[in-house]
Amino acid sequence: AQSVTQPDIHITVSEGASLELRCNYSYGATPYLFWYVQSPGQGLQLLLKYFSGDTLVQGIKGFEAEFKRSQSSFNLRKPSVHWSDAAEYFCAVDYSGGSNYKLTFGKGTLLTVNP
Amino acid sequence: NAGVMQNPRHLVRRRGQEARLRCSPMKGHSHVYWYRQLPEEGLKFMVYLQKENIIDESGMPKERFSAEFPKEGPSILRIQQVVRGDSAAYFCASSPPGQLSETQYFGPGTRLLVL
Repeated sequence: AQSVTQPDIHITVSEGASLELRCNYSYGATPYLFWYVQSPGQGLQLLLKYFSGDTLVQGIKGFEAEFKRSQSSFNLRKPSVHWSDAAEYFCAVDYSGGSNYKLTFGKGTLLTVNP
Repeated sequence: NAGVMQNPRHLVRRRGQEARLRCSPMKGHSHVYWYRQLPEEGLKFMVYLQKENIIDESGMPKERFSAEFPKEGPSILRIQQVVRGDSAAYFCASSPPGQLSETQYFGPGTRLLVL
């Protein structure tokens, strides 16, 4: 079955530290990949997406993600975390071959930022 | 340009009542998607609609749930005879007509609590 795995349920980092959130997907071909952020009580905001081309994609708020086909991974990174980054982060995959619906989401990683 | 709007933001129902959740897509968007987020879970696709058409309802429970997107007005997700297990956050997303690179924009969600 097609799935998205976010191995880390909860991560705590100190403000100013670097961050990497992991995401693995199961599929043979290259899917379309997304990272969303959800602040408490809010909807999801798109951070970045990968469809094709350069495997390192830049997003909003200083985030980037790297697609690694050999590892079926699409990890999210940020070099220096700010307190306002505390939120829940969801990796999502479009397995529909680019028609862009029926996104499959991971269970999310909750990020806590210590001062 | 207003984003995706959902109302109500919070809804409390007693078991056996009906819940109606409304979603107004972004201006110019003709595709609407509904997702459900159970506690400590990622979002799960429920249904994909275009104006007056249900395109894919493979994620909808077979009973009690229905969705529509009329020619005029918002999309409605209707849950009849709610049960406690229906308590969740229901998110609507919309996208413009097109293909491949279009992205779903999410609303703030409706948090349904069934007592």
